[in-house]
Amino acid sequence: DAKTTQPPSMDCAEGRAANLPCNHSTISGNEYVYWYRQIHSQGPQYIIHGLKNNETNEMASLIITEDRKSSTLILPHATLRDTAVYYCTVPGAAGNKLTFGGGTRVLVKP
Amino acid sequence: DAGVTQSPTHLIKTRGQQVTLRCSPKSGHDTVSWYQQALGQGPQFIFQYYEEEERQRGNFPDRFSGHQFPNYSSELNVNALLLGDSALYLCASSRTGNSNQPQHFGDGTRLSIL
Repeated sequence: DAKTTQPPSMDCAEGRAANLPCNHSTISGNEYVYWYRQIHSQGPQYIIHGLKNNETNEMASLIITEDRKSSTLILPHATLRDTAVYYCTVPGAAGNKLTFGGGTRVLVKP
Repeated sequence: DAGVTQSPTHLIKTRGQQVTLRCSPKSGHDTVSWYQQALGQGPQFIFQYYEEEERQRGNFPDRFSGHQFPNYSSELNVNALLLGDSALYLCASSRTGNSNQPQHFGDGTRLSIL
C-alpha cells in the first residue's frame, strides 16, 4: 500500500477555500486516492476519491497531479462545521484495507 | 436509508474479559471491515469480511476474531482483554464489485478497559 504524508495541521478562515495537500509518491498506476474526514467523536466520513482525473462532488474537489504522486483536496468555501481531521489514504489495488496516517487537523476560524 | 450502525456505543470491561461488538452495514453493502482507533491516532485495519469469510487481516493477534452473518451484519470479538485494547472500534461497509467502491463508516463503539 502506498504511504501518504500530510501536514499535521492547518488553519483556514471561514468562507475561504481550504487546500489540503497529500503526498503519495509510491502510488501504483491502478491505485485510487481516497479522502475522509473525522469530526470529533464520530466515525470517518467519506469525502471523495479519484484515480488520475480531477474529481468534484458536493463536498469538495480533488486535484491529482499528472504524475499521481500528490493530490490536493479543496474545500471551496470552508465553514466552521468543516473543522475536522482530514485523512488521505491509498488502499491498494484490491481496495480492501484503508491505511490512515495522522491526517491533517483543520481548524476553520470565524 | 440507514447508514452503518454499531452497537453498543459505549462499553466498559475489565482486563481478562471478553467482548462482542456488532455492526449492521449500509443498505446494499455486502463487505464489512473493522478498525481500531486509539486516542489521537488514525484508525488501524483489523480485518475484512466478505461472503461470511475473513478476506484480509491486519497486524492484530488471534484474540481478535470476527464473524459475518448471511444478512451481511458482522461481529467483532476480543478475548482476554488488555488495557491497551481501550479504543474506538469502527466498522465500515462497502459494496464489492468494483474495487474502488468507498468504505462508509459507523460512529464506532468506545471500549474502555479498567
